[in-house]
This record gives sequence, C-alpha cells and structure tokens, in this order.
Amino acid sequence: SLLLTQPPSVSVAPGQTARITCEGDNIGSKSVHWYQQKPGQAPVLVVYDDNDRPSGIPERFSGSNSGNTATLTISGVEAGVEADYYCQVWDGSTDHHVLFGGGTKVTVL
Amino acid sequence: EVQLVQSGPEVKKPGESLKISCEASGYGFNNNWIAWVRQMPGKGLELVGIIYPGDSDTRYSPSFQGQVTISADKSIHTAYLQWSSLKASDTAMYYCSKLTGPWFFCDSWGQGTLITVSS
Repeated sequence: SLLLTQPPSVSVAPGQTARITCEGDNIGSKSVHWYQQKPGQAPVLVVYDDNDRPSGIPERFSGSNSGNTATLTISGVEAGVEADYYCQVWDGSTDHHVLFGGGTKVTVL
Repeated sequence: EVQLVQSGPEVKKPGESLKISCEASGYGFNNNWIAWVRQMPGKGLELVGIIYPGDSDTRYSPSFQGQVTISADKSIHTAYLQWSSLKASDTAMYYCSKLTGPWFFCDSWGQGTLITVSS
C-alpha cells in the first residue's frame, strides 16, 4: 500500500521560507492535504486538495503536488508556525483510507 | 459552526472495557463520514477507522480490525469508539474528525480524548 514519507524535522530562520515534503509513489495523482499540530492541541487543516486553504488560514501557507512529491510551503516564517505538520491522502482503494505521513517538526531558529 | 465535542479523559486498567464519544453539531451528521484517529505519546497520526452515520457503514484500518468497535447513534448525533479489553498499548490520545470529500480530508476535529491504561 501507499507509504507517505516526510522528513522528521525542518529548521528555518524567521522571515525565510520553509518547505516540507511528502513523498509517495505517484502521489501527484492524488489530492494531498496538510495539517498543523501545535503541542497539546488537536490538528488543524491548513491546506486541502493540494493547494486550497480553509477560511482563516493565512496566505503564507501554500501547497504543490507533482510526480512523487507533494510540498507544503510556509512563507515569511514567524514563531507562530512552529509545530508538527502532517500530510494526508485518501486512498479509497485500500483498507487504509485516510493515510497520514509520519509528520515533520518545523523549528523556527 | 461545526463542533465535535469528545468525552473526557479516562484512566483504566488492562482488561477493562471503555466507550468514548464524539458529539457533533452544526452540520449534517448523517451525511458525512467521521474518522477516529489515534496519536500515541510523542508519535504521529494514525487512522483507527471511519463510519458513515447515515447507514453505519464502518471501515477499520488493518491494525485496528478486531481490536476496537466504531459505532454511531444518529438520534443524538454521536459517534463512539469502544474497547472490550484494553491493553497498555492502547494508551494514547484519540481524536474524532469530520471528513469532507470527494478526496476526504479532516476539516474539523474534536479536542481529543486521552486514554491511559495502566495497572
């Protein structure tokens, strides 16, 4: 079955751009969704269907998806974006259905 | 406003049974899949299973098949996750979430229910 691989951690300086990858076999053929989870809180959807943002999510969050890699981009990083980020796809052809990546911890230097 | 309100934290002994709940409001409960997601301490998100309250169609992730039971009561807009015999390895935070299609993402989440299983 499909496996989603994320780097365990990404570090970025304030004001710079963070890029978080999510790798999977032919993931470009699926819609990828991204969640932010801060310590002690429930996850929050930040990007859905590759590159759409829910209401209330800042424009600094954007996504792309092609080939075997999906990417969440966070522009103009500030301390408030420090969190764990998870990618997710719907794999209706298997019993796994809602499939998550392993998560990436974003640290603001 | 969509809200998912989960039952409170639980401390249980191995072998005990447990049923936790997720009460939904602010949307068509019967017509949207609900997912249960486990997060073990310091670990990532894992799907436990999903349920469609309208007809109780339920699917389990292979790791959880036979280990838990997911159900829903349409009359009170509530989904449930239950165990008949808890293990220490069930210790985790459990979230319910509302799935939105067609490419199903979790657009709303409950606050989580912390389950601690210890002798």
